[in-house]
Amino acid sequence: AQKVTQAQTEISVVEKEDVTLDCVYETRDTTYYLFWYKQPPSGELVFLIRRNSFDEQNEISGRYSWNFQKSTSSFNFTITASQVVDSAVYFCALSEAENNFNKFYFGSGTKLNVKP
Amino acid sequence: GAGVSQSPSNKVTEKGKDVELRCDPISGHTALYWYRQSLGQGLEFLIYFQGNSAPDKSGLPSDRFSAERTGGSVSTLTIQRTQQEDSAVYLCASSRRIAGAQETQYFGPGTRLLVL
Repeated sequence: AQKVTQAQTEISVVEKEDVTLDCVYETRDTTYYLFWYKQPPSGELVFLIRRNSFDEQNEISGRYSWNFQKSTSSFNFTITASQVVDSAVYFCALSEAENNFNKFYFGSGTKLNVKP
Repeated sequence: GAGVSQSPSNKVTEKGKDVELRCDPISGHTALYWYRQSLGQGLEFLIYFQGNSAPDKSGLPSDRFSAERTGGSVSTLTIQRTQQEDSAVYLCASSRRIAGAQETQYFGPGTRLLVL
């Protein structure tokens, strides 16, 4: 079974629209970390956020915000007022205490196309 | 400061040949990870190193794959007798290690391997 599921394969929006990228994870651990990475067309993965399982506070960073809900095992990512430069593949990832946080499980990614 | 570097950036080889992919982690990062990303796919975890040792090699796809790390720094991923299905982008990441916690992984630009 997939440990991290990103059900949205590809999303297209028009600039200035808000968009939410879904991430659902599966773990038996009570201690784990969740991550979001951005992979622009250039290919290099860029770290966006890390969240541990004990911190359910939502986080906002500029136009980016993250909604962590343990009750639904989700860690969704919202981009407000999207821009063309946001076009990329976004990956959600999980690491668990069970593996001493040494293994990362990545979702299959969501490709975001922001059109002008 | 310098990020994770990988070489070569691109490698084209013939089926059956051996290839070596190199990763230089961020200075001071004791943990090093290798991933494979096939075209349009997510990241597949291959192996990680803590220092020079690799406690978990279960992610390596076959015995044609091996990896080593020397001096707690540079790592080499070797693929012997390459097959066409080995064609992918091989990504390296490094992180600091703190006991009982997970530091963020920082990724290199990847090596694009094409097996003809």
